[in-house]
Amino acid sequence: QQQVKQSPQSLIVQKGGISIINCAYENTAFDYFPWYQQFPGKGPALLIAIRPDVSEKKEGRFTISFNKSAKQFSLHIMDSQPGDSATYFCAARSPGGAGSYQLTFGKGTKLSVIP
Amino acid sequence: DTEVTQTPKHLVMGMTNKKSLKCEQHMGHRAMYWYKQKAKKPPELMFVYSYEKLSINESVPSRFSPECPNSSLLNLHLHALQPEDSALYLCASSQLRGREKLFFGSGTQLSVL
Repeated sequence: QQQVKQSPQSLIVQKGGISIINCAYENTAFDYFPWYQQFPGKGPALLIAIRPDVSEKKEGRFTISFNKSAKQFSLHIMDSQPGDSATYFCAARSPGGAGSYQLTFGKGTKLSVIP
Repeated sequence: DTEVTQTPKHLVMGMTNKKSLKCEQHMGHRAMYWYKQKAKKPPELMFVYSYEKLSINESVPSRFSPECPNSSLLNLHLHALQPEDSALYLCASSQLRGREKLFFGSGTQLSVL
C-alpha cells in the first residue's frame, strides 16, 4: 500500500513558469514532510521541508503549501529554470527504531524546464 | 563537512562474487541508513543503524549483510547477488530524533551480471 501519492509523474514547464507538484498521504502519524531533488547519477538532496503545524514555508523560489485537514502538500517552484530539471520526491517521516526515523517517498516527478 | 561519501561509485560483479560497499560520514550523525533505488523509482529503505546497532531490517535477503564498525562508517557486504539486485545503493545519515535532515551520499551504481 503506497502511503504517499505523488502527481504528476512528469511535468514540462516553460522557463520562468511555475512548477507545481502535489502529494497526498493517509498516515496521520507522519510528522515531517521533506522534498528531495535528485539529478541523474546523484543521491537525493533535501530541498525544503515542513512540519504539519505550519501551512506554508518558503525558501527562495521554492514554497511548500501544507493542508493538514486534507492530508495534502505541494511544492511550488517559482520562476522555473532549466537547472531545476530533475526528479523531485516528496516524502513523509515516521518514527523508526531507537531514535532514528523512516521516510516514505512518493513515486517521484520528473520535471523538465524548457528554454 | 556535510558530506556522506560512498565508494565505489560504480561496481560490476558476477553472481558468485563477494564485494562490499562503503559509506563514511563525519557529521557526528548516530543514525545511518542503506537505501536501494531502481531506475525511475523512489529510494527503498533496506537497513537502519542507530548508535551502531541494527534497528531496522526491511526484510532484506541475507545476500545483503550490513555492518556498522563505528559511528562514522557503514558497510554493505554483498554475496551471491542476482541480476535483479542491480540498482543504485544509497547511504544516508541523520541526527537522531528531533533533527530532521537526512543526508544522502551519491550512491554506488551496482550491476550484477
